[in-house]
This record gives sequence, structure tokens and C-alpha cells, in this order.
Amino acid sequence: DGGITQSPKYLFRKEGQNVTLSCEQNLNHDAMYWYRQDPGQGLRLIYYSQIVNDFQKGDIAEGYSVSREKKESFPLTVTSAQKNPTAFYLCASSTTAWVSNEKLFFGSGTQLSVL
Amino acid sequence: QKEVEQDPGPLSVPEGAIVSLNCTYSNSAFQYFMWYRQYSRKGPELLMYTYSSGNKEDGRFTAQVDKSSKYISLFIRDSQPSDSATYLCAMSDRGSNYKLTFGKGTLLTVNP
Repeated sequence: DGGITQSPKYLFRKEGQNVTLSCEQNLNHDAMYWYRQDPGQGLRLIYYSQIVNDFQKGDIAEGYSVSREKKESFPLTVTSAQKNPTAFYLCASSTTAWVSNEKLFFGSGTQLSVL
Repeated sequence: QKEVEQDPGPLSVPEGAIVSLNCTYSNSAFQYFMWYRQYSRKGPELLMYTYSSGNKEDGRFTAQVDKSSKYISLFIRDSQPSDSATYLCAMSDRGSNYKLTFGKGTLLTVNP
């Protein structure tokens, strides 16, 4: 059953804490992305990775970090520097990073809230 | 002016109605246009994908692109309660590589 798996579904962060959101895909896609979705807002790109061991900042990368050590995995760390982390986080992938010719497939999301 | 404008709704219609969802955009370089459907607290799923101007039909769904007016539409015929979701438009140009620009989404409720 191919797809993108995000975990956990719900996550709570304490003040000053770093938390990591997991994203795994078995679609053999080269490119992976992290988006943030706030109520009534469009999706905003945090980071993306075109290939293993490479990643680029998106529009709102401050306070976030990523790694891409394996093709199938693209974890996102929300650091304590991100002062407003409460949001719905979506991981996505595509065959390549050339989105103009490719389609994005999304995971089911992680809701992050601050305690 | 925002790059992509989408009326957030909410839009409420009776079952069987024809639904029209729309987005306008300002970047004339956009060439690839998509509609995603997102159920509550789920990830978006690709519904329709079109290139440049014209119409594309898939079952009860029709996507229209009018590049001269910078306007795209999604029509849903014979709407069903299962169509109740948020619909996001998205678009990109040949040069943007990774980046899709999304609308804010329109919340649709189809009442039985």
C-alpha cells in the first residue's frame, strides 16, 4: 500500500522544546516537501528536498530544520526559535522536484499545538 | 494583490446542485493548474490537473482555465454529501520548479 505516512497525528510542544515530525514515503519519489497550513490560510512551503542529502529553504523556513539522509524519509524539527508553531503540518512528495510537470502527493498531516 | 485569490466561503448547497468554485491569479506565467480536495484534518488529494487554457472533464468534475482572464474554475455536477470538503486551487509556472502557489481554499458543504 504505497503512500506517505506522517506521525504522530497530534503533537504537543512545551515552551522551549524542540519537536520532530516524521514523514516516510514508499513511492520511490525523489522530491519531498514540508508545508504549514494555518486556519483559513493557503499552504506555505517550509522546506523541500530534491534529492538525498540536499534540501532548500522554502518561504517560511525560520525556526525549522530538516534532514534527508534517506530517500524515503524527510523529518521536520520545529525548534524553540519558532515562536508560533501551532499549525497543521503536511508532508508531500513528487517524482521529481519539477512541480510544473509533476503532481504532489500529501500525507495525512500532523497537528502541532503548544501547551 | 495576492498571487492567488480564492473565496473562502463557506459555501452550502443542497445535494444534486451544481457547484462552481473559482480562483483568480495575477501571475501571467502560471501554466499548470490544479485543484485539490481536502477533507477535515486530512492531507489534500489531487482532483484535477490542467495545463494552459481549456477544459478538462473527469466524471462529475470539470476544470476550466481562462488564461486571458487569469481565472480558473472547478465545476461539480450532481453534488453529493461526500463532496463536502475544502477545495484548494494551486498553480505553478515553468520556471518555479518546486513551488506551487496555493489559494486559501473554499469550504464546501453539500446538504442531504
